[in-house]
Amino acid sequence: AQSVAQPEDQVNVAEGNPLTVKCTYSVSGNPYLFWYVQYPNRGLQFLLKYITGDNLVKGSYGFEAEFNKSQTSFHLKKPSALVSDSALYFCAVREGAGTASKLTFGTGTRLQVTL
Amino acid sequence: NAGVTQTPKFQVLKTGQSMTLQCAQDMNHEYMSWYRQDPGMGLRLIHYSVGAGITDQGEVPNGYNVSRSTTEDFPLRLLSAAPSQTSVYFCASSYGLAGGYPLTDTQYFGPGTRLTVL
Repeated sequence: AQSVAQPEDQVNVAEGNPLTVKCTYSVSGNPYLFWYVQYPNRGLQFLLKYITGDNLVKGSYGFEAEFNKSQTSFHLKKPSALVSDSALYFCAVREGAGTASKLTFGTGTRLQVTL
Repeated sequence: NAGVTQTPKFQVLKTGQSMTLQCAQDMNHEYMSWYRQDPGMGLRLIHYSVGAGITDQGEVPNGYNVSRSTTEDFPLRLLSAAPSQTSVYFCASSYGLAGGYPLTDTQYFGPGTRLTVL
């Protein structure tokens, strides 16, 4: 069965510093990987996805993520954090083509950016 | 476009009561799904639909029913509410593949319904 792990419940970063939110996954085939963000009292919003091709994926609001097949990781990064980036971030995985599978979410990582 | 809408925003039920959470989308998406969000557990899939008239169970379907009579609407019914169903419920939709699963598509989420069962 496919699974996603987000090892950190919370990540604290000072504004202007780089941030990384970690995600590792487990699937039996090719993974399709997603990052979503949830602001307080809101639904999830899509940030970026990896389907195939370049291992570095760029998304909304200056975020990017690096797909590493050997380490089965898809860490979310941003070069310079903003206070407005403070939110709950979810990594999700779906197994690749040829498999009718569902989207599996991680447990979420709360990002707190302070001045 | 209104996107994905959910009603009500908040609901308090007593144990044993039934209710329907409404979800609608105006993007002509084939694929719709219901998730529940609980602290420390992320989002778990309850039921999903790949098109009108087609539904299937997700990870945690017990105690919930769904139907999909139109492309736009995907209501979630709680048959006999229990305290364990206290949660935040999200509806989501995506384009999908004809009769299949949206392997690569982005899902669009509604704002959620916060349900408390006493």
